[in-house]
Amino acid sequence: DGGITQSPKYLFRKEGQNVTLSCEQNLNHDAMYWYRQDPGQGLRLIYYSQIVNDFQKGDIAEGYSVSREKKESFPLTVTSAQKNPTAFYLCASNPTSYAETQYFGPGTRLLVL
Amino acid sequence: GENVEQHPSTLSVQEGDSAVIKCTYSDSASNYFPWYKQELGKRPQLIIDIRSNVGEKKDQRIAVTLNKTAKHFSLHITETQPEDSAVYFCAASNPSGYALNFGKGTSLLVTP
Repeated sequence: DGGITQSPKYLFRKEGQNVTLSCEQNLNHDAMYWYRQDPGQGLRLIYYSQIVNDFQKGDIAEGYSVSREKKESFPLTVTSAQKNPTAFYLCASNPTSYAETQYFGPGTRLLVL
Repeated sequence: GENVEQHPSTLSVQEGDSAVIKCTYSDSASNYFPWYKQELGKRPQLIIDIRSNVGEKKDQRIAVTLNKTAKHFSLHITETQPEDSAVYFCAASNPSGYALNFGKGTSLLVTP
């Protein structure tokens, strides 16, 4: 777990603003994931990336965008198109591109002003 | 995504009793089933996992069973302790094999 970091811990977004959440890992893991967590909703997959310069939409990708220019970094942008962005965002990684043990970052809590 | 149903949503047990959480999945192609524990305000952490070629796995007070025919798997915690209180999530690998689908979680409370 200690090899995955997310920043900031708290983030505030104004109406019409895009904000970017950072996720970095030094575990040399191939795959990285972004989840959104709402009370009583579990973890819902936003985007995932199996290798550099490639990523796929998850179940709730609308209003979000990602990039994977480096193996260790997978930033998530919450765009103004996401009308209900208040949530706890978790980044995760796993060693290979296949679904297996995922290691989570500490999370970013996004709040709307 | 694939549906992973998890029950119950809340569970309260007395210290020393056993706790059982059940999950069902919809796609027979799923082959990896992890369980995560999340304490309040913290990140989820893997506590045990099982693959489809195994029916049961045990690690001290924690065990997981898998019934591939019925497409359900369960988490068993014996001799529960107050520090077991947390939210537990089950997950199943999705049809592509590249991601996990999570259940909605079970909030377990162990009272002294």
